[in-house]
Order: sequence, then C-alpha cells, then structure tokens
Amino acid sequence: AQSVTQPDIHITVSEGASLELRCNYSYGATPYLFWYVQSPGQGLQLLLKYFSGDTLVQGIKGFEAEFKRSQSSFNLRKPSVHWSDAAEYFCAVGAYTGRRALTFGSGTRLQVQP
Amino acid sequence: NAGVTQTPKFRVLKTGQSMTLLCAQDMNHEYMYWYRQDPGMGLRLIHYSVGEGTTAKGEVPDGYNVSRLKKQNFLLGLESAAPSQTSVYFCASSLQTLPGGYTFGSGTRLTVV
Repeated sequence: AQSVTQPDIHITVSEGASLELRCNYSYGATPYLFWYVQSPGQGLQLLLKYFSGDTLVQGIKGFEAEFKRSQSSFNLRKPSVHWSDAAEYFCAVGAYTGRRALTFGSGTRLQVQP
Repeated sequence: NAGVTQTPKFRVLKTGQSMTLLCAQDMNHEYMYWYRQDPGMGLRLIHYSVGEGTTAKGEVPDGYNVSRLKKQNFLLGLESAAPSQTSVYFCASSLQTLPGGYTFGSGTRLTVV
C-alpha cells in the first residue's frame, strides 16, 4: 500500500522568502502525486499534480513541485511567499491498482511572518 | 457551479445518536469519497464509491456506513455515534480515479459529546 510522509508539521517563513515543503512517498511503481492547500475552515484546493512526463510541474498561485524518483520525493516550492499563502498543505499519492483513492500525508502548516 | 456540497456544515450529537451526512455533486463525477480529518493525522479514507450502486471500504470504515443510490449523492451514516468520531468530514468527487485529482466539499464539523 502507498504512504506519504510530510516531515515538517509546522514551518514559519518571512514574507518574500522562498519556501520548500517536503513530501516523501512510498509506492512500488510510478505514482500519481498531488499537492493540496487548505485555508482555515475551508476544503482542500488542488495546487498541482504529477503523473508522467516532465518532473518539474507548475501549479496555481506560483507554486511548483519536482518529482525525484531516486529520492521518492515530491517537494513543493515557491520562490517568494505572500502572506496569503499561510495555510495547511497536504501531499497525496495515488496508485494505479488496489484501492484507487488518494492517500494523504499528515500536512504541513505554513505560517508567514510580515 | 455548486461543485461538491456537504450538508450539514456543523452538528453536535450525543453518544449513541445516529445521523447521516449528505454529499451532493453536480459534475457528473463517477467517483466519490468520504474522508475524515483529525489534527496531525491528515485525511483518512472512510469509504468510497466507484459508481452508482457501488461502495468500498477505506482505511477507517468501522462505525460508518455509506450508500450511493444516485450517481450525484453519496451518504455517510453513523448508526451509533461515539466521541472518537468527533472530526471534520470531507467529501470529494472525481471524474476518474486518477490523474485528475479531487474536488472537495467544504466539510462537516461533527462533535460527539
């Protein structure tokens, strides 16, 4: 079965600084990978996804993520963080077989300092 | 443009009471899912459905039942609520399992006292 680890529970960055959120997955084949963002009291919104092709994927709101098969990672990055990026971020992995549903990581809460 | 609608948004139950959470989607999606979100644990899959009339168990199905009698609706039932079921419940739907990703509802906050 697939699994996802987000090692950082909470990250604080200053506005304008760069951001990298870590995600490691476990799955026997090439997975489908996603990043979602959740603002307080809201549902989850898809930021970006990877399922094949170019390992660097671009998403909404200026986010990007890089799939590194050798490291089983799919880290999320943004060159310059805005105060409105403060939210909780979830990495998720999907499998081609078995239970055909996404498995989510435990989330990373991002705080942005002025 | 409703997307995925969950009702109710908030509910307080007493231990042993029953209730049904409704999820409705207007996107003609085949797949629907129920997750629960608890602090520090992310989202865990309760049950899911790959089409009208079909349901399957997820990671944490105990204490819950589901039905998908109509393609657009996915109901989550708690027959005898327990405090351990205090959580935020999210419904999601997708056109196909992968790779499109999910559309989420805004959640139902349930407290069992």
